[in-house]
Amino acid sequence: QKEVEQNSGPLSVPEGAIASLNCTYSDRGSQSFFWYRQYSGKSPELIMSIYSNGDKEDGRFTAQLNKASQYVSLLIRDSQPSDSATYLCAVIAGNKLTFGTGTQLKVEL
Amino acid sequence: EPEVTQTPSHQVTQMGQEVILRCVPISNHLYFYWYRQILGQKVEFLVSFYNNEISEKSEIFDDQFSVERPDGSNFTLKIRSTKLEDSAMYFCASNPGLDLGEQFFGPGTRLTVL
Repeated sequence: QKEVEQNSGPLSVPEGAIASLNCTYSDRGSQSFFWYRQYSGKSPELIMSIYSNGDKEDGRFTAQLNKASQYVSLLIRDSQPSDSATYLCAVIAGNKLTFGTGTQLKVEL
Repeated sequence: EPEVTQTPSHQVTQMGQEVILRCVPISNHLYFYWYRQILGQKVEFLVSFYNNEISEKSEIFDDQFSVERPDGSNFTLKIRSTKLEDSAMYFCASNPGLDLGEQFFGPGTRLTVL
């Protein structure tokens, strides 16, 4: 069973701080990794994808991948209250996305 | 900006009844998906559909479930005889066929089985 594990949180950070969200996966053959954001009562929305070891930056978001440790992370710099949501880590295998349970992020004023 | 649409937004049904959830994927997308999310739980893959046939399905997608693309725009999920445990949010998603992990989700249909 291919699994994606995340700490459910909530992770609380003050406005302007860096939020660090972590994810581990069980299938060593996984090649593609994704971060989706899900606001309460809404559908998942893709925010980042990463395929190679190292860092990938997009605006205030940085995804980090370490395939040897089977570890993916998402850093959100200058966190804003609008970043408060659940962040879902996902891996693709064949046609399907396997999601983690998500980490709830709360950015406090 | 193009988006995936789903109807209805909320469906209430009696146990044992059939329901059909409808989705209109983004035009020109090639892959279509159904996922479900039971309240407070993770998003779970149900089925993927490509070239007018199921390309992959999960253990959840048993004989009670079926999908159809009846015309060039709609993509439907049918549950033949609903059970209490089918109560969940059902999301449709589509993908243009480039990176299969970059999926565009609809707003979801909340299914309540009484």
